[in-house]
Amino acid sequence: KAGVTQTPRYLIKTRGQQVTLSCSPISGHRSVSWYQQTPGQGLQFLFEYFSETQRNKGNFPGRFSGRQFSNSRSEMNVSTLELGDSALYLCASSLGEFNSPLHFGNGTRLTVT
Amino acid sequence: AQSVTQLGSHVSVSEGALVLLRCNYSSSVPPYLFWYVQYPNQGLQLLLKYTSAATLVKGINGFEAEFKKSETSFHLTKPSAHMSDAAEYFCAVSVMNSGYSTLTFGKGTMLLVSP
Repeated sequence: KAGVTQTPRYLIKTRGQQVTLSCSPISGHRSVSWYQQTPGQGLQFLFEYFSETQRNKGNFPGRFSGRQFSNSRSEMNVSTLELGDSALYLCASSLGEFNSPLHFGNGTRLTVT
Repeated sequence: AQSVTQLGSHVSVSEGALVLLRCNYSSSVPPYLFWYVQYPNQGLQLLLKYTSAATLVKGINGFEAEFKKSETSFHLTKPSAHMSDAAEYFCAVSVMNSGYSTLTFGKGTMLLVSP
């Protein structure tokens, strides 16, 4: 079974631009969660989508948004990029049931200059 | 609010030595706890999870963790470290949010293994 696939692996953007990251979950998984990982803040939960609906949201500004398609693939968008948005963005999929383990992709490394 | 605290941002051991990575949780209800490992330039991989079925949980790669309610701990151990165990380890607790569970992670512990 193929794992969680995130594209692209690396991105370099300029302040003020916007960026879209993509995540393909494990086949059969209907839940996709996004996390931001930085050296200072560690792993922080952004949001979770289940069957195309946002089910949970972390404490991030509205510049961070996401969506999920009918095939469970998900995209995350960050608008008006700031230097502090430089991070590793991790996507994780699961069955979406209570306490289902998360299966992570290898992440997208975003650098904002 | 449920959370986890990992003691020690870095732990150094020699190859063949015991590995002990500490995790304490704070939860007002029986928690669901997880350990994940992250190798350089990769995502997180599930090592093991505690769901109240047994206090001693065995995971992959020879790791295990023991749930101790009296100490609110869920420490990760491995009897004999291997060079390939060098990675960052994260303890996580399942948190209810808006009726659904999400994972809250500790800050991580980097395990360094020397020959």
